[in-house]
Amino acid sequence: AQSVSQHNHHVILSEAASLELGCNYSYGGTVNLFWYVQYPGQHLQLLLKYFSEDPLVKGIKGFEAEFIKSKFSFNLRKPSVQWSDTAEYFCAVKGTNAGKSTFGDGTTLTVKP
Amino acid sequence: NAGVTQTPKFRVLKTGQSMTLLCAQDMNHEYMYWYRQDPGMGLRLIHYSVGEGTTAKGEVPDGYNVSRLKKQNFLLGLESAAPSQTSVYFCASDPGTGDGANVLTFGAGSRLTVL
Repeated sequence: AQSVSQHNHHVILSEAASLELGCNYSYGGTVNLFWYVQYPGQHLQLLLKYFSEDPLVKGIKGFEAEFIKSKFSFNLRKPSVQWSDTAEYFCAVKGTNAGKSTFGDGTTLTVKP
Repeated sequence: NAGVTQTPKFRVLKTGQSMTLLCAQDMNHEYMYWYRQDPGMGLRLIHYSVGEGTTAKGEVPDGYNVSRLKKQNFLLGLESAAPSQTSVYFCASDPGTGDGANVLTFGAGSRLTVL
């Protein structure tokens, strides 16, 4: 079975601070990894994805994530956050032999102006 | 292109009532999913479908039933609603193969309250 653990439930930062959200997964095989974001009042949408190419993946709005296979991790980073990054962030894993994605509990990010 | 559309957006039920949530997608996606989102618990998979006429159980299937009679629609039914089913329900779809496979497109959510 696959599972995902997100390290932080709620993160509060000031604008221009750097961000790193932790994500670890468990699956005994090849995986696809995702970060989804839910801005206030909006749909969940894809932020970035890892599909077995370069382990450093770049997404929308300046976000990036690094897949470290030996640590089963896929941490999300952004060098300088903005107030508009306030949202809930979900890490997800989908084993290549699994028919479904499994999500972490989510991290609420609040950015203070 | 509407993407994934969920109806209704809001509903209040009394314990024991039944209802159906409808999910429709116009992207010709093969796979469809129903998740529920509860505070501090992320998204949990209820049921999913990998093609027309197929359904499978997810992590939390009890108390729910689903049907996928047409490729574009995925219905989630509550036969006898319970207060524990108060939640926000999200439908999602995935092409299944090819470009965009494994990436979920979500609906806007349906907020259900069971009194």
